[in-house]
Amino acid sequence: KQEVTQIPAALSVPEGENLVLNCSFTDSAIYNLQWFRQDPGKGLTSLLLIQSSQREQTSGRLNASLDKSSGRSTLYIAASQPGDSATYLCAVIGADYKLSFGAGTTVTVRA
Amino acid sequence: GAGVSQTPSNKVTEKGKYVELRCDPISGHTALYWYRQSLGQGPEFLIYFQGTGAADDSGLPNDRFFAVRPEGSVSTLKIQRTERGDSAVYLCASSLGTANTGELFFGEGSRLTVL
Repeated sequence: KQEVTQIPAALSVPEGENLVLNCSFTDSAIYNLQWFRQDPGKGLTSLLLIQSSQREQTSGRLNASLDKSSGRSTLYIAASQPGDSATYLCAVIGADYKLSFGAGTTVTVRA
Repeated sequence: GAGVSQTPSNKVTEKGKYVELRCDPISGHTALYWYRQSLGQGPEFLIYFQGTGAADDSGLPNDRFFAVRPEGSVSTLKIQRTERGDSAVYLCASSLGTANTGELFFGEGSRLTVL
């Protein structure tokens, strides 16, 4: 059974600092990995999708890397802003078509 | 539609009642998922549809839970004899084609509270 772990569980930084969010998974036989953002009481917003053949994806201030063999992904958010405060979830899809989620990292960016 | 739509956004019911939650996926998306999220946790898989058929329902917790997608578009999650432990946010997601390659798009969720 795929297990996805996100460290740290919570993170608080001053505005302007770079954020580094970690995700690890136990079964490296994945098809893709997706990072989501979730605001309190809201659904999930897709941030980045990395196919298993890719090593990274970038969108604006966001960059996500994938090391499939070691079962790790890292989400970098450059020059953080208070609007980046949210919970960030990592999820992987394997051959069983199920998206397995981590518990998330809750980020607070202090103005 | 522009995004995945879920109704109702909030549902409060009494223990033992029957509940239906509806999901309207993005037009043209053939893959549809239901997930359940408890406070402070990541979403947990319930069921996956490819077209009209349930390709994998192994996440449904027991036989009180059932989901349908009769025309390959809108899906309904049905919960019989609700229990307090069923209280959670129920999330629906859809994807173009097969979900193992495509990006998943989630709705805002239906928050179920069982008193």
